[in-house]
Amino acid sequence: DQQVKQNSPSLSVQEGRISILNCDYTNSMFDYFLWYKKYPAEGPTFLISISSIKDKNEDGRFTVFLNKSAKHLSLHIVPSQPGDSAVYFCAATPLRDDKIIFGKGTRLHILP
Amino acid sequence: KAGVTQTPRYLIKTRGQQVTLSCSPISGHRSVSWYQQTPGQGLQFLFEYFSETQRNKGNFPGRFSGRQFSNSRSEMNVSTLELGDSALYLCASSFRYGGGREQYFGPGTRLTVT
Repeated sequence: DQQVKQNSPSLSVQEGRISILNCDYTNSMFDYFLWYKKYPAEGPTFLISISSIKDKNEDGRFTVFLNKSAKHLSLHIVPSQPGDSAVYFCAATPLRDDKIIFGKGTRLHILP
Repeated sequence: KAGVTQTPRYLIKTRGQQVTLSCSPISGHRSVSWYQQTPGQGLQFLFEYFSETQRNKGNFPGRFSGRQFSNSRSEMNVSTLELGDSALYLCASSFRYGGGREQYFGPGTRLTVT
């Protein structure tokens, strides 16, 4: 049972444009959401997070939007840069101090 | 400050064998979590150790086990290896239990079972 779903295995976006990565979840007990970025041969690195009491969190070029009623969150990257090419994992946790459930990841390709 | 280190980085084993993977957390971190990454399933949580005690466990068979030492270093063991155990095994360390955003991942151990 996949509680965190990233339905797009891959996404290609032109450099300079906006990249939008989507994530859906099924567990209404999740109240903290994270995005991780992973390059080949490296472990994932934390990118940005959002608490369920917010609907938006911004950090530089990265913005995460949360729609609790739809159980949907998205990561926006503006503008997209070549170094953004990586696998992005959406993750969720019911409590800040509980185990993290990851999605399967979306591979983002930034095209020149 | 040194990052999370995992040894070995690559491993090839045959079915039926067992394997032990090692993870050294960032100095001062007391929590170590283990994940399995496969193309089909993404990142799946195996277990978390905090102060030498298993605090949380994912949905994996008993063939997967782990332990944590007093210096916070952790080992993961997989017995009776199956072809489906081929994966990238990642460990992550954090100062406190659960970790959340404060988890720092190692580069992983790539296990291939033939």
